Amino acid sequence: RKEVEQDPGPFNVPEGATVAFNCTYSNSASQSFFWYRQDCRKEPKLLMSVYSSGNEDGRFTAQLNRASQYISLLIRDSKLSDSATYLCVVNNRDTGRRALTFGSGTRLQVQP
Amino acid sequence: EAGVTQFPSHSVIEKGQTVTLRCDPISGHDNLYWYRRVMGKEIKFLLHFVKESKQDESGMPNNRFLAERTGGTYSTLKVQPAELEDSGVYFCASSQEGRGDNEQFFGPGTRLTVL
Repeated sequence: RKEVEQDPGPFNVPEGATVAFNCTYSNSASQSFFWYRQDCRKEPKLLMSVYSSGNEDGRFTAQLNRASQYISLLIRDSKLSDSATYLCVVNNRDTGRRALTFGSGTRLQVQP
Repeated sequence: EAGVTQFPSHSVIEKGQTVTLRCDPISGHDNLYWYRRVMGKEIKFLLHFVKESKQDESGMPNNRFLAERTGGTYSTLKVQPAELEDSGVYFCASSQEGRGDNEQFFGPGTRLTVL
């Protein structure tokens, strides 16, 4: 079983739609959680960190459910420029390790 | 501020040859990481340097891979001899010590093809 599981998609949505991605992680010791965005043939870039209380950054909302070991990302009012692969990432900082563990990504295609 | 840079951007070599990848982290970042993505798989951690010391090399696949960071600045990752299954994209990342959320900034990657 993969440590971080994501639906690979693709999610094809029209401009202006709201879309949600989910992710589950298997290691209950995971302490830090992130969503990264990766454009085709580019490097991953941090979209947002995910906090226990949930957090919002403009059109993007991230939520964490530690009991269910579940992370979500909600994108409102989708733009064409949101088309990318969204990577769910976890880190077990309390063990002293800084290694990030990546999911395989969910591909989003926003259509005009 | 310059980001993480990697060289070369692409490398095509034959099985059995040696390849050396280079990473220049963001200036002032003590933490440097190597990751790779082989085709069809997720990005996986290889190792982590703090300055010139290897902090965590638990992700290194085997002893054909050698990473160095002499002087605590740039890092090299050598693959010798390369095998077909080493093909993939090798990413380097860096982060600043003490930053609470451990934000790692990634370089553009080196796409390695072993024929």
